Amino acid sequence: EAGVVQSPRYKIIEKKQPVAFWCNPISGHNTLYWYLQNLGQGPELLIRYENEEAVDDSQLPKDRFSAERLKGVDSTLKIQPAELGDSAVYLCASSTVGRNEQFFGPGTRLTVL
Amino acid sequence: RKEVEQDPGPFNVPEGATVAFNCTYSNSASQSFFWYRQDCRKEPKLLMSVYSSGNEDGRFTAQLNRASQYISLLIRDSKLSDSATYLCVVKRNTGGFKTIFGAGTRLFVKA
Repeated sequence: EAGVVQSPRYKIIEKKQPVAFWCNPISGHNTLYWYLQNLGQGPELLIRYENEEAVDDSQLPKDRFSAERLKGVDSTLKIQPAELGDSAVYLCASSTVGRNEQFFGPGTRLTVL
Repeated sequence: RKEVEQDPGPFNVPEGATVAFNCTYSNSASQSFFWYRQDCRKEPKLLMSVYSSGNEDGRFTAQLNRASQYISLLIRDSKLSDSATYLCVVKRNTGGFKTIFGAGTRLFVKA
């Protein structure tokens, strides 16, 4: 079974530039999560989707972050414009109904210069 | 104060040692509890769920104390390959499910 796929794996941009991350969850997993992880910290939820509906986006900084999951499968997370403090690892995870385990992708390591 | 708190460590132990990690959570509505393992520069992976009666998986034992809002993970006969960060994870349903990760405890097992 293929795992959660994320791209790109690494991204270096200058501040004020836009950036987008892509995630393809495990086939059949209807729940998709985007997390931000800073060095030495645990993952912090940005947004959670149930199919194509964003059911928890309370921690998403909506002035600069946006996300979509149009067909309830792949998802894109965008930052525009990026700030120095956005440098972190952005993790995507998926899970299926009735199962607690979340499966994580390898993450995108973002560096904002 | 964070909702899920862990001793950040690092814990430096020799091979074969027994090591225990603690985790406390502040929201009494928390329902489900887990330990995830995260290797350096890798993604987190589920190590084990934590049940009220306590549970064991090989060299790993997890305990839950709901009254004290406390979770523990015990690793016996430590191996070099156990070196990683162990994340305490709590799931609650207060106006919708939410999963909270602790900051993690780093473990280094030395030969």
